[in-house]
Amino acid sequence: KNQVEQSPQSLIILEGKNCTLQCNYTVSPFSNLRWYKQDTGRGPVSLTIMTFSENTKSNGRYTATLDADTKQSSLHITASQLSDSASYICVVSGYNNNDMRFGAGTRLTVKP
Amino acid sequence: DAGVIQSPRHEVTEMGQEVTLRCKPISGHNSLFWYRQTMMRGLELLIYFNNNVPIDDSGMPEDRFSAKMPNASFSTLKIQPSEPRDSAVYFCASSLGTVNEKLFFGSGTQLSVL
Repeated sequence: KNQVEQSPQSLIILEGKNCTLQCNYTVSPFSNLRWYKQDTGRGPVSLTIMTFSENTKSNGRYTATLDADTKQSSLHITASQLSDSASYICVVSGYNNNDMRFGAGTRLTVKP
Repeated sequence: DAGVIQSPRHEVTEMGQEVTLRCKPISGHNSLFWYRQTMMRGLELLIYFNNNVPIDDSGMPEDRFSAKMPNASFSTLKIQPSEPRDSAVYFCASSLGTVNEKLFFGSGTQLSVL
């Protein structure tokens, strides 16, 4: 069973609307949680990194939250744009650089 | 900085041929990672280097895969002989090294083995 579960698997929204993506994890020990955006045909790009002590972090229209007690994170996108269409990947790290667990991603499509 | 640079961008080869993928990490980064991405399995870590030394190669699928990092600015991932099931996108990524540092990915190499 994957230690990082993302939902929904895919999502279609209209331009200008908000949306929230979910990430639940069982990784332990926990060092940080990252959200990446991956455009089609490109490498993932970091949106946010949150450590154990942080429960929210923003990057423009992207806001990530973290509840380390329930092991849940969300990524909220405000006023979506067509360019937000991409896969969003949740990554949870243990204490070592090589101990990153990747979620399967949520495929977001923003339609005009 | 140009970011992490990978070449080639696309590679099409026949089964049994040798394939070499190349990566130039961001200058000053001391950690380098090779990942493979497929629809079925998502992103998987193949190998991780720190200060040019392989630290964890447990993700390398089998002996057909090998990776080297002869210096801080260059790494290669070689598949010999290649098989159709190796078809995937291979990403190289680099970071400043500590576990909470941002990871920067290259644009990937799309490998197709016929």
